[in-house]
Amino acid sequence: SQELEQSPQSLIVQEGKNLTINCTSSKTLYGLYWYKQKYGEGLIFLMMLQKGGEEKSHEKITAKLDEKKQQSSLHITASQPSHAGIYLCGADGRNYKLTFGKGTLLTVNP
Amino acid sequence: SAVISQKPSRDICQRGTSLTIQCQVDSQVTMMFWYRQQPGQSLTLIATANQGSEATYESGFVIDKFPISRPNLTFSTLTVSNMSPEDSSIYLCSVAPQRTKGYTFGSGTRLTVV
Repeated sequence: SQELEQSPQSLIVQEGKNLTINCTSSKTLYGLYWYKQKYGEGLIFLMMLQKGGEEKSHEKITAKLDEKKQQSSLHITASQPSHAGIYLCGADGRNYKLTFGKGTLLTVNP
Repeated sequence: SAVISQKPSRDICQRGTSLTIQCQVDSQVTMMFWYRQQPGQSLTLIATANQGSEATYESGFVIDKFPISRPNLTFSTLTVSNMSPEDSSIYLCSVAPQRTKGYTFGSGTRLTVV
């Protein structure tokens, strides 16, 4: 089965700083998803990547998938307190079954 | 994208009892997914529910413990049966009407078993 390794497990940054979260797969990725979860709430979809070398941006968040399709990174520019939460990467296959990494807890201090 | 209404949002239950969680989707979807998120952990897929057929369970999850109904293309229920404190988790449903636009998740049911 596919395993996703996320790093770091937690991250504390000062407001305005940039940060990067990584997600590494044990197998070639078919589809890679990034989600954000606020404590005790559902998941908010951020971006989906499926082509090697693909890069997508939404507001101050950029996600990239490497050429080999085994590693993805999520970069936040000029972080704000509203970016705080748990970031999860997930991968699916042709069977539509999503496997998630363990998540990265982001704290942004004002 | 699809919108999911999940109920209840939270509950505290006595051990040995059962709780049924409902998910209503605002559009017709072929597959619905049920996940469990144990305290401090990531999400684990429990089962996939297709309308008109029995749910497909992942390793470690059985129908007697987590019976699922899927009566139509917009609705599904998950029952957590004979609960123990180890069942205390957040349970979420999910759909993917357009995979490339992301899987949509319900807001979750926070279950505490005492």
